[in-house]
Amino acid sequence: EPEVTQTPSHQVTQMGQEVILRCVPISNHLYFYWYRQILGQKVEFLVSFYNNEISEKSEIFDDQFSVERPDGSNFTLKIRSTKLEDSAMYFCAGTLAGTSTDTQYFGPGTRLTVL
Amino acid sequence: AQSVTQLDSHVSVSEGTPVLLRCNYSSSYSPSLFWYVQHPNKGLQLLLKYTSAATLVKGINGFEAEFKKSETSFHLTKPSAHMSDAAEYFCVVSDSRNLIFGKGTKLSVKP
Repeated sequence: EPEVTQTPSHQVTQMGQEVILRCVPISNHLYFYWYRQILGQKVEFLVSFYNNEISEKSEIFDDQFSVERPDGSNFTLKIRSTKLEDSAMYFCAGTLAGTSTDTQYFGPGTRLTVL
Repeated sequence: AQSVTQLDSHVSVSEGTPVLLRCNYSSSYSPSLFWYVQHPNKGLQLLLKYTSAATLVKGINGFEAEFKKSETSFHLTKPSAHMSDAAEYFCVVSDSRNLIFGKGTKLSVKP
């Protein structure tokens, strides 16, 4: 069964550094998402992406964040200048049709630790 | 606005006894509801989903959930808990194109 993969599984970085989190969605999926889960808190929506454009973004997704799908397979989340509060688990997800009834398939997550 | 409330942050059961994880939702229209499970150091796995077809939804690993519109509930149940069910469970409502998660319920299973 196809799976969503994410790399790295754990990233440690210094405050102010740039990080890129990578995701390889299921090949026939068209809609992609990033979520984050700060330790002990809810999973929160960050951004959705379709047809090489951002579809929706939350208040969390400010100018420090960007997403792209440069080569048609990898889907990346970049944090330009990390802050301590960016420490969280980041999940990538994908769907085929992007509707409200469509199942989102999640990757295993990247744990980001900002020191 | 859509939201979900998971009524218990932690539920502890003995192996072989029933599991009940409670979830109430708030939605201005007919919602799509999901339960996801997260095992330690693993990603989020879909257990089951409700999309306005049958109100009793069967999922993987013997779990099921019943959509009750009158009670705005979507509780997750399993007749007999297994040690491998120990995990965190998230009730989720779909808000057009993204998901809104509950705070999660940690299920512990005692031998």
